[in-house]
Amino acid sequence: ILNVEQSPQSLHVQEGDSTNFTCSFPSSNFYALHWYRWETAKSPEALFVMTLNGDEKKKGRISATLNTKEGYSYLYIKGSQPEDSATYLCALNRDDKIIFGKGTRLHILP
Amino acid sequence: NAGVTQTPKFQVLKTGQSMTLQCAQDMNHNSMYWYRQDPGMGLRLIYYSASEGTTDKGEVPNGYNVSRLNKREFSLRLESAAPSQTSVYFCASSVYRGQLQETQYFGPGTRLLVL
Repeated sequence: ILNVEQSPQSLHVQEGDSTNFTCSFPSSNFYALHWYRWETAKSPEALFVMTLNGDEKKKGRISATLNTKEGYSYLYIKGSQPEDSATYLCALNRDDKIIFGKGTRLHILP
Repeated sequence: NAGVTQTPKFQVLKTGQSMTLQCAQDMNHNSMYWYRQDPGMGLRLIYYSASEGTTDKGEVPNGYNVSRLNKREFSLRLESAAPSQTSVYFCASSVYRGQLQETQYFGPGTRLLVL
């Protein structure tokens, strides 16, 4: 069974603090890893796609890293703002399959 | 561009009834997908269509059928709805599934309740 694990499931962060969370996946036959941001009552929106070991991507205060050899990706948010409150999904492409993790639900506290 | 649109937004069915969920995209994408999202389960792929004229099963296809009507439209049909099919259904599209690293664009979702 191909499992994509995200941790933690839920996270509360004070506004202004920085935070990070993890996506873990089987490292064999890796093809690509995606991060999506999913706000309540909306649909998932793409943040990053990463394909190479050591990839680092950045969009504003959000960045992501990828380690395909050990099978994990980190998503970092610097100086959290209320608008960062959302569920962050990662999705693995492997063996012609796309498997989503269950997401990390991020709550920013004022 | 409207992106990916889904109809209806919300539907209530009785067990055994049938219905079709509609999805359309105006981005000239080749590939389209149907997912269901259940609490604690994440997004699970039901069916996908890599290109016009082709469809393939995903992770949870039982109880569903799909039709790729043309390049723009991909419908999901429940022939005999069951309470286990109560879920939120998302349609998505991407440029070309042969290269799996391409980004998917999601519709707003259809919330289905089967009584």
